[in-house]
Amino acid sequence: QSVLTQPPSLSAAPGQKVTISCSGRNSNIGNNHVSWYQGLPGTAPKLLIYDNSNRPSGIPDRISGSKSGTSATLDITGLQTGDEGDYYCAAWDSSLTGVVFGGGTKLTVL
Amino acid sequence: QVTLRESGPALVKPTQTLTLTCSFSGFSLSNVGMCVGWVRQPPGKALEWLALIDWEDDTYYSTSLKTRLTISKDPSKDQVVLTMTNMGPVDTGTYYCARIPSAGNFFDYWGQGTLVTVSS
Repeated sequence: QSVLTQPPSLSAAPGQKVTISCSGRNSNIGNNHVSWYQGLPGTAPKLLIYDNSNRPSGIPDRISGSKSGTSATLDITGLQTGDEGDYYCAAWDSSLTGVVFGGGTKLTVL
Repeated sequence: QVTLRESGPALVKPTQTLTLTCSFSGFSLSNVGMCVGWVRQPPGKALEWLALIDWEDDTYYSTSLKTRLTISKDPSKDQVVLTMTNMGPVDTGTYYCARIPSAGNFFDYWGQGTLVTVSS
């Protein structure tokens, strides 16, 4: 069981918006930054969001992140079939003194 | 250009020790704040963080696996080595090394991963 909680799966139609949630506690999300990664079959995870809401260069602005208290969300608007994949949140956990990941959310673009 | 590449055995037997090497370029692990870590992914399952080493040689381990893990670095070779003892079938998966940049707490660059299968 993962320390950070994500919905196992979500689906939406092309062009729609999806919100992926990530729930934690004070020791991780509550007091540390959140990052988000996209995992596609056969490829290494790709950083989408760092420090809660910042996008690395090359990540389109239809992908955004936010954090409130002990929860974080990843929003993807204008969904494309290429957005299908697994999405993971992560944060440093000060109590565990290590990185914790969410269980991942499988996004299907219908 | 930052690159990381994992290397190691594709197949290990139960109870054996796994040794993986992460060879990197484009940055120095001696730079203040820089870290390299290991993350694994069993087939069909979620990412799991394993270990981290920082520029000062401080090490951090997954609580559930710390008795089996050792992470070290060889700055002369720009390599980070992870050993995991007493391998079992549940340890089968893809193992990634990844960089945490200075003043960051996220993995910005990842290796392509190496698949390790534990089987007799």
